[in-house]
Parts: sequence; C-alpha cells; structure tokens
Amino acid sequence: AQTVTQSQPEMSVQEAETVTLSCTYDTSESDYYLFWYKQPPSRQMILVIRQEAYKQQNATENRFSVNFQKAAKSFSLKISDSQLGDAAMYFCAYRRFSGTYKYIFGTGTRLKVLA
Amino acid sequence: DTGVSQNPRHKITKRGQNVTFRCDPISEHNRLYWYRQTLGQGPEFLTYFQNEAQLEKSRLLSDRFSAERPKGSFSTLEIQRTEQGDSAMYLCASSLVIGSYNEQFFGPGTRLTVL
Repeated sequence: AQTVTQSQPEMSVQEAETVTLSCTYDTSESDYYLFWYKQPPSRQMILVIRQEAYKQQNATENRFSVNFQKAAKSFSLKISDSQLGDAAMYFCAYRRFSGTYKYIFGTGTRLKVLA
Repeated sequence: DTGVSQNPRHKITKRGQNVTFRCDPISEHNRLYWYRQTLGQGPEFLTYFQNEAQLEKSRLLSDRFSAERPKGSFSTLEIQRTEQGDSAMYLCASSLVIGSYNEQFFGPGTRLTVL
C-alpha cells in the first residue's frame, strides 16, 4: 500500500523569505502523480502544484516549485517570497497513474507566515 | 459555475441520530469522491462514483455509512446511528476524467460534531 509522510507538523517563515516543506512517500509503482494542496482556515483545498513521476523536470508554478527525487521518494515544496496569504495547511498527496484516482494524503504541515 | 458545494457546512447531532450530507459537484464532472478528515490528519478516502455507479468503498466506510449519486449528479452521504468517533470534516471532490490526468476539485466540507 502507498503511504505519504509529512514529518513537519508546523513551519514558520518570515514574510518575503523562502521556506521548504518536506514530503516522503512509499510506493512500488513507477508511474504516479504527486500533488501539493493548500487548505486555508475554513476554506476549501486548492491545488498548488503537481508532478508527474515520469517527468524528470521539477514542476514550477510562479513562487512555488518542487524538488522531486524519485529514487529517494521525496517530494518537497519550496515557497519563495512568502506572503501572508500563504499561511495555511499544506498537504502532500499521492495518486496512482490509473485506477480509482483516489488521493492518499499526508498529515499536513501548518505554515505560519510572520510579518 | 462556482465550484463544488456542500451542505450543510456544519452539523451538530446527538449520538445515535442519523445525518445526511449533500455534495453538488462541478457540472459535467463524471467522478465524485468522498473523504473524511479528522483533527490533525489528512483527508482519507471513503468512496467514489463514476457517474451514478459507486465503484469503490474504503474499509473506513462501515455499514452505518451509505452514499448515493442518483442520476450521476449530486451525491448524498448518510451516517446512521452516529457515534462520537464519526466527528470529522467530510470532504467532497469532483473531477472530469480525460485520459490519465484529472484534477480533483474540493468542496468546503461539512463539519460533523457528534455529542
């Protein structure tokens, strides 16, 4: 069975600084997707960034980028130029390439942005 | 289209009562998922529908839980004889499956408190 681990329950970052959130996963499959979702307080989860396992190039979306290390089964999220609006719970998620497409989530990292 | 909606947003009930939640997915989305999120945890998969067919149920979905998606549109999740352990946020997500990639869009969730 696949598992996703986020070992940082909480992180803090100064506004305008850079922060990296960690995620490791376990799977025996070679093709899959990885995601980072953001869940602001009392609001719905939104997709931040996704990575296809068959792509070697790390995904980037504006201030958000990932460091995908397939052999190490590591998928970290880097947030550059942190903004107050980045404060939220961040969940790392895994999804098989085919099948039910259900997500397997980690336990989340609460990000605090300090003014 | 305003996204995935869920009603009610909050539900407080007494142990032993039945509750029903509703999820309205994004129009034209053929897949609908239910997840449960307890405090300090990431969302956990409960079940999913492809149009009106319920194709997979997690072992977390006990006999007291039932989900339907009549006509492949909205979905309901009913919990009978609620227990305090059912207290959680129930999340709904929908997606349009085209090829192997399909992004799940999440609703705001229904927070259930069982007294």
